[in-house]
Amino acid sequence: QKEVEQDPGPLSVPEGAIVSLNCTYSNSAFQYFMWYRQYSRKGPELLMYTYSSGNKEDGRFTAQVDKSSKYISLFIRDSQPSDSATYLCAMTFYGQNFVFGPGTRLSVLP
Amino acid sequence: EAGVAQSPRYKIIEKRQSVAFWCNPISGHATLYWYQQILGQGPKLLIQFQNNGVVDDSQLPKDRFSAERLKGVDSTLKIQPAKLEDSAVYLCASSSVRGTGELFFGEGSRLTVL
Repeated sequence: QKEVEQDPGPLSVPEGAIVSLNCTYSNSAFQYFMWYRQYSRKGPELLMYTYSSGNKEDGRFTAQVDKSSKYISLFIRDSQPSDSATYLCAMTFYGQNFVFGPGTRLSVLP
Repeated sequence: EAGVAQSPRYKIIEKRQSVAFWCNPISGHATLYWYQQILGQGPKLLIQFQNNGVVDDSQLPKDRFSAERLKGVDSTLKIQPAKLEDSAVYLCASSSVRGTGELFFGEGSRLTVL
């Protein structure tokens, strides 16, 4: 079993749709959970980070963590063509052993 | 605030040749990371520095890869000799606060080994 699993996509949605991106993980020691966005030929940029379980909202983005199920989600409301990118989940415990998922490629069609 | 700087952006070499990548982290960031990202995969940690000391290099192929961070600022990652499977993007990241996951990445150095 891989440490972090993520559906690679590609996922295509029409503009304005709600997008749901998910990751599962196996190591219960992870405490910090992150979502990064990576545009083509660019480095990843941090979108959201959450400590332990719970929800966090920032504009059109909502991150959810369910530690009991070892499952994290990122929701994008009112998706825009500019949201087209690869979304990477990542997790760590106390700044060591950052582990990234393989990424989900998202296309938002105008 | 200037971001993480990396060079070169692109490099094409033949197998068995050597290559070096340079990274300048965000000013004041004590922790520096080198990641390898193969096409279609997530970044994989190669080495983590805290100031100029190595925190984690467990996934660094030490027979061919080496990295240093002199004076706790700039860092260099070297591959010698390169293999075909080393074709990837080499990402440098830095962070100032351990444990919060706020890694700031550079744009990466894309290596093609022929």
